[in-house]
This record gives sequence, structure tokens and C-alpha cells, in this order.
Amino acid sequence: GESVGLHLPTLSVQEGDNSIINCAYSNSASDYFIWYKQESGKGPQFIIDIRSNMDKRQGQRVTVLLNKTVKHLSLQIAATQPGDSAVYFCAEKPRAAGNKLTFGGGTRVLVKP
Amino acid sequence: EPEVTQTPSHQVTQMGQEVILRCVPISNHLYFYWYRQILGQKVEFLVSFYNNEISEKSEIFDDQFSVERPDGSNFTLKIRSTKLEDSAMYFCASSAATGQETQYFGPGTRLLVL
Repeated sequence: GESVGLHLPTLSVQEGDNSIINCAYSNSASDYFIWYKQESGKGPQFIIDIRSNMDKRQGQRVTVLLNKTVKHLSLQIAATQPGDSAVYFCAEKPRAAGNKLTFGGGTRVLVKP
Repeated sequence: EPEVTQTPSHQVTQMGQEVILRCVPISNHLYFYWYRQILGQKVEFLVSFYNNEISEKSEIFDDQFSVERPDGSNFTLKIRSTKLEDSAMYFCASSAATGQETQYFGPGTRLLVL
């Protein structure tokens, strides 16, 4: 039968604006979270990570926010640039799961010039 | 900047054939992983490898799959008898040590089984 691919939510952003990408995770036992960027035909590229003992972490032009109460993770990109156009995945690692990462479904970000 | 490399970038094979996907992890890393991504779907964990043995594997990683670190630099994924549904991008990743969980991914091998 026909396999149905994942329908990616898409965020269209004007160049220079800020982007916010959201992710809901399911496992309350997860203690480590990571955002990856994937450009077409390439592997996931590390952006930023956060442990469960933190609510916020900042990197260069990116900020990750973690709300453990509602199991929500967000990635904020400041002053979005055309090079930010990609699919963004959140991933979680449960405390007792070794080093296995469980990936979310991804959000496609399109930056309009 | 050190990076994970993978070869080949593309592989086309006939159903039932064996394939070996190769990876060179970042040199001082100790943990190695294989993930796959079927077109349009999520990245899925296959297996993790530490200290020359499998530390964890998923349901996908059945008896048709095996991993090996044949020397000090390479990490391979073998699929013994490929099936159509094995067509996917296969990503190798590595991480430094426990407590340094950041996994760095290679560019992937696109496998097409005909």
C-alpha cells in the first residue's frame, strides 16, 4: 500500500524577523533535549541543547526554552536569515534510556527575503 | 572542526543483496550510533555501540542488521539481505562520553533497494 509521509508543519518567516519553533515531548522522564537543523540532503546539525534542570539556554542567535510542566520545548531564532531555512527537529533522551535520542516530527522553516 | 564522515553518499542495491555502510566517527568519541530516516519521516534510532559492543538497539534492528568497529576509526552497519523497506537515509552519529551527550551526525548514506 501507499506509505504516508510525515506532513511537516511549516513556518514562513520574513528575513530579519524572529522565529519560534515549538515541540511537545511525551516522556516526562526525559532529562536532556536537543535541537537539530537539517538542510535538504544533509544530516542533522546540532544547534543547541538543554538539560532538564534548566529552563532556558542561549546560544548565538538561538535560545531554547524548556517548560517541564507542560512538556514543551521551543527554539527561538533571532534575526532569521536565509541560511536558517531548513527542517528543525527536537529530540529527547530519557534518563534511563542510555544515549538513544527520540526525534520529533520536525518543522520546516522558510525564510522569505 | 572535526566531523563525522560517511561513505558512500548513495547506494543502490537489489533486494536480497548485502550492503555495508561505512562511517568514520569523530576521533576522540567513544559512543557510536546508527539512525535512519525514511523519506518524509522522523529520524529513528537503530543502535548504539560502546566499548566494542552494542549497548542498545531498537525493534528495527533485527537479525538482518549488524554493526562492527573493524579498526580504530571505522564503524560499519551491515544489512545482510536488504528489503524494499530498508530504503532510507542512514545516519551515523558519535558522542564523546557519558555526561557529554551531544551526538554529532554524519551527512548520511542514501540507500535505495530495488
